[in-house]
Amino acid sequence: AQTVTQSQPEMSVQEAETVTLSCTYDTSESDYYLFWYKQPPSRQMILVIRQEAYKQQNATENRFSVNFQKAAKSFSLKISDSQLGDAAMYFCAYRSRIGTYKYIFGTGTRLKVLA
Amino acid sequence: NAGVTQTPKFQVLKTGQSMTLQCAQDMNHEYMSWYRQDPGMGLRLIHYSVGAGITDQGEVPNGYNVSRSTTEDFPLRLLSAAPSQTSVYFCASSYSGQANEQFFGPGTRLTVL
Repeated sequence: AQTVTQSQPEMSVQEAETVTLSCTYDTSESDYYLFWYKQPPSRQMILVIRQEAYKQQNATENRFSVNFQKAAKSFSLKISDSQLGDAAMYFCAYRSRIGTYKYIFGTGTRLKVLA
Repeated sequence: NAGVTQTPKFQVLKTGQSMTLQCAQDMNHEYMSWYRQDPGMGLRLIHYSVGAGITDQGEVPNGYNVSRSTTEDFPLRLLSAAPSQTSVYFCASSYSGQANEQFFGPGTRLTVL
């Protein structure tokens, strides 16, 4: 069975600085999807970025980018020029490309942004 | 589009009571799912559905029932509430196809006394 591990329960970053959130996963599959979701205090889950495992190029969305290391089964999220609005829980998620549509989530990392 | 809607937003139950959490989506998504979120445990899948009339169990299905009679609605029933079911519940939906992101509802905070 697949697992997703987020080893940093909490991280802090100064406004305008860069922070990296870690995510590792375990799977025997070769093709899958990885996601980062953001959950602000409003509780609403928001997709931040998505990576397809068969693509070697790292996904980017404005200030958000990933470092996808398939062999190491690592999928970290880098937030550049951090803003106060980035403060939230961040969840890493895995989804197989075949069979079930189920997501597997990590336990989350709470990001604090310091003014 | 309203997206994914959930009712109620908050609910307090006594042990042994039953209730239904409502979930609806207006995006014609085939896939719908229910998660519970507990501190330090991320989101855990309770039940999911890949289309009307088709449901399956997730990681933590005990104490919960679901049905999917229409594409739009996917209610979650608590048969006999227990304090261990105190949690925040999220409904989500997506088009079929694993590349598609799930859209989440605003969540229901449930407290069982």
